[in-house]
Amino acid sequence: QKEVEQDPGPLSVPEGAIVSLNCTYSNSAFQYFMWYRQYSRKGPELLMYTYSSGNKEDGRFTAQVDKSSKYISLFIRDSQPSDSATYLCAMTTGNTGKLIFGQGTTLQVKP
Amino acid sequence: NAGVMQNPRHLVRRRGQEARLRCSPMKGHSHVYWYRQLPEEGLKFMVYLQKENIIDESGMPKERFSAEFPKEGPSILRIQQVVRGDSAAYFCASSPLEKQGANSPLHFGNGTRLTVT
Repeated sequence: QKEVEQDPGPLSVPEGAIVSLNCTYSNSAFQYFMWYRQYSRKGPELLMYTYSSGNKEDGRFTAQVDKSSKYISLFIRDSQPSDSATYLCAMTTGNTGKLIFGQGTTLQVKP
Repeated sequence: NAGVMQNPRHLVRRRGQEARLRCSPMKGHSHVYWYRQLPEEGLKFMVYLQKENIIDESGMPKERFSAEFPKEGPSILRIQQVVRGDSAAYFCASSPLEKQGANSPLHFGNGTRLTVT
C-alpha cells in the first residue's frame, strides 16, 4: 500500500465547474500538507500549504485536511481552462523538504 | 531573480554511459533536494543536500547514484552505468531554510528528462 493515494484521473470538467481533488494517506505522523500544480513539461509549483486539520482558502482555491480520516482535499471554484494541469498532493512529518507525493490527478477544464 | 535552473533539459544516454544532471538553486538558497518522477508516478524524494554536506540520502539507490553540492557551483546528480529503468524526469528543488512553510516553500526547477536507449 502506498503511503499517499491519489486518483490519477484524468478528470474533465466544463469551465466554471467546482473541482474536487482528494488524497488519502496512511501515516498518522504527517502534519504538513501541500497541494502543488504542475503544468506539462514544467516543475511543480506550490498552491496551498496547511498545517494539521482544518480549512484554508486562497482565492478560488480551498484546501481541507481531516486528520481523523487521513483525507485531504483541494477545491477549485469557477474553474478556468488555465487550471488544466496535474495536481499533486504532498505531505511531510517534520516540516522539511522531504515530501511524500501522491501520484497526481490530471485535470482538464474545457471552455 | 532567476528560479531554480536545471540543465540540460533533455539528456539522452545509451545503456552503460554516465549521466550528469546539474542544478543551480535560487540565489540565497543553500538547501537542495533531488526528486525523481517516473512515468505515471508521483515525485519520489532522492536526496537532501546542504553546501558540501549530504544530509539525507535515504531515497537514493545504493548503487550507481551519487549527489554533491560543492561550496562553489551547482549541485550535481550523477548516475553511472545508466539502465533503461533510469529513464525519468529528475527535479531539483531549493529552499533558503531547513524548515519549510507557507512563506518558505520548496522552489522546483523544470527538470531534466533523461532517456536511456
